[in-house]
Amino acid sequence: QQPVQSPQAVILREGEDAVINCSSSKALYSVHWYRQKHGEAPVFLMILLKGGEQKGHEKISASFNEKKQQSSLYLTASQLSYSGTYFCGTEIMGAQKLVFGQGTRLTINP
Amino acid sequence: DTEVTQTPKHLVMGMTNKKSLKCEQHMGHRAMYWYKQKAKKPPELMFVYSYEKLSINESVPSRFSPECPNSSLLNLHLHALQPEDSALYLCASSQDLTGEMLDTQYFGPGTRLTVL
Repeated sequence: QQPVQSPQAVILREGEDAVINCSSSKALYSVHWYRQKHGEAPVFLMILLKGGEQKGHEKISASFNEKKQQSSLYLTASQLSYSGTYFCGTEIMGAQKLVFGQGTRLTINP
Repeated sequence: DTEVTQTPKHLVMGMTNKKSLKCEQHMGHRAMYWYKQKAKKPPELMFVYSYEKLSINESVPSRFSPECPNSSLLNLHLHALQPEDSALYLCASSQDLTGEMLDTQYFGPGTRLTVL
């Protein structure tokens, strides 16, 4: 079952912060975050495992709330290069595959 | 090196044509994937290969025929496609499927397919 991402789109000014959420009705084993720029391949950002782990990657971090089956991606002090569509891919135990959310389009303006 | 290459970049074909998409990786990965992505939509899984054997087929129509001739190569053979099959076809690879959880999937740039 496809996870639900929110918001669907965000417009920010450079330097502002953003949070993107990914929720599932199923018990998740892991959540994978990707960013895709127009006409390019999805680029891996990070993996979150069940257990409430929080990870960081430069000014981009993420958390996984096992109780809520929700992952959140945090982008702080956004840069122009952060623009793109962010997808969460969710793994249900034993499924051996990712199901991607519908995406969140992030636009950063100067 | 985390590169997955795909050829061709663009492909235009008629509904009666037969064509193939090619994907290659040299990271020693033993799991390879085909995804289909329509404009402004997420990637949708089509097939998964694990150690050159088909592991998952997401009920894909038989006009799409995958092949994994060796651990580095993945092909997608196309025959009698419909205009609604026009999309970006993405290949990905990961370490393998034997771990407790899925490994990171690395995507290729995709082949943009147009069916006339």
